[in-house]
Amino acid sequence: EAQVTQNPRYLITVTGKKLTVTCSQNMNHEYMSWYRQDPGLGLRQIYYSMNVEVTDKGDVPEGYKVSRKEKRNFPLILESPSPNQTSLYFCASRPGGVLLRGYTFGSGTRLTVV
Amino acid sequence: AQTVTQSQPEMSVQEAETVTLSCTYDTSESDYYLFWYKQPPSRQMILVIRQEAYKQQNATENRFSVNFQKAAKSFSLKISDSQLGDAAMYFCAYTTNAGGTSYGKLTFGQGTILTVHP
Repeated sequence: EAQVTQNPRYLITVTGKKLTVTCSQNMNHEYMSWYRQDPGLGLRQIYYSMNVEVTDKGDVPEGYKVSRKEKRNFPLILESPSPNQTSLYFCASRPGGVLLRGYTFGSGTRLTVV
Repeated sequence: AQTVTQSQPEMSVQEAETVTLSCTYDTSESDYYLFWYKQPPSRQMILVIRQEAYKQQNATENRFSVNFQKAAKSFSLKISDSQLGDAAMYFCAYTTNAGGTSYGKLTFGQGTILTVHP
């Protein structure tokens, strides 16, 4: 089944403790992206990747890191999480150059930083 | 920068009735795509319908249709014969073929929570 897999689904952590949210897709998509969803703000892009080893900042990159060492994986790293990073996070992917097909999204990670 | 605005935080509809969700966007590009995504309580983002800016004809997917007004930069979603399973948060989203950092990036509206009453 074609899908984007995110883990974990829920995560509670303490301020300053490094964490990684994993994302993997099995569709050979070139483009991957991370979004955070907050009430009243919709989804906002954190980072994106056009292909392996090519990443760039989105609209709200502060406090996050990403890497794209393999085409299928695009982990989101929070080096020192803070309470304002409490949010619902989505990983998404799409094939290169086919914008009409839209994105395939993971099932989301609910992160709480206390 | 492109922006997408959904001015209705919440809407409600009776089962079997019709409801329209509003979306406006702002862009200077001519080549772009618009989407409606559904997010049920399961949190999964489900693509409901899509529209190419170059196409005059409004997109339709079963009970879902759009009213695309390019000059007004409006992209509303109409749900006919509403069902209990339509209850969800709905997001309007925009992306463009234009070059630069905007290429392929999905910009979302704030979302509209739809409640369906039996």
